[in-house]
Amino acid sequence: GENVEQHPSTLSVQEGDSAVIKCTYSDSASNYFPWYKQELGKRPQLIIDIRSNVGEKKDQRIAVTLNKTAKHFSLHITETQPEDSAVYFCAASYDSGGSNYKLTFGKGTLLTVNP
Amino acid sequence: EAGVAQSPRYKIIEKRQSVAFWCNPISGHATLYWYQQILGQGPKLLIQFQNNGVVDDSQLPKDRFSAERLKGVDSTLKIQPAKLEDSAVYLCASSYPPAGSYEQYFGPGTRLTVT
Repeated sequence: GENVEQHPSTLSVQEGDSAVIKCTYSDSASNYFPWYKQELGKRPQLIIDIRSNVGEKKDQRIAVTLNKTAKHFSLHITETQPEDSAVYFCAASYDSGGSNYKLTFGKGTLLTVNP
Repeated sequence: EAGVAQSPRYKIIEKRQSVAFWCNPISGHATLYWYQQILGQGPKLLIQFQNNGVVDDSQLPKDRFSAERLKGVDSTLKIQPAKLEDSAVYLCASSYPPAGSYEQYFGPGTRLTVT
């Protein structure tokens, strides 16, 4: 089955700096890569996703890059703000049929943005 | 739109007891997922339903866990008998995958403590 490795497990940055979280996956059939943000005690929420036919995607201060050859993808957050502090999870998945994606999550990165 | 509802939010039981969790997905969402999230880890898929049929239950410990989704709407996840290692947050998620939309919407979770 799919295996997703995520690094680092913790990341501390100063407000305004950039943060980068990296993930690798094992199954070359995976073709959908979402990132979820989970604030303490709350539910995971999708912040950005990318499909395997795209190398990069941006949404305001957040960007995701994908390298299919190397089987790794990264989350980039620029101009970090204290409200970006949370646990971020990457995930990889493939279409298990009928557009139903089975997600395998990484172990998460605790991002702390210091004011 | 209303989000994914789960109950109870918290449950404390002794080992070898049984417990049941309930999930009501977003109206119209055909796909429903149950995840187990152990402290400090990413969510792990236990079972995936498409309407009232099981799409994937390969990681469900079937000797003690069971799940059903009658009428293709609400779902229940049961553990009988519980073990200490079942202590975790149980997340329910739903999705409605028309072409190009694969976001999974998570509920608030049920925090289970087995003593």
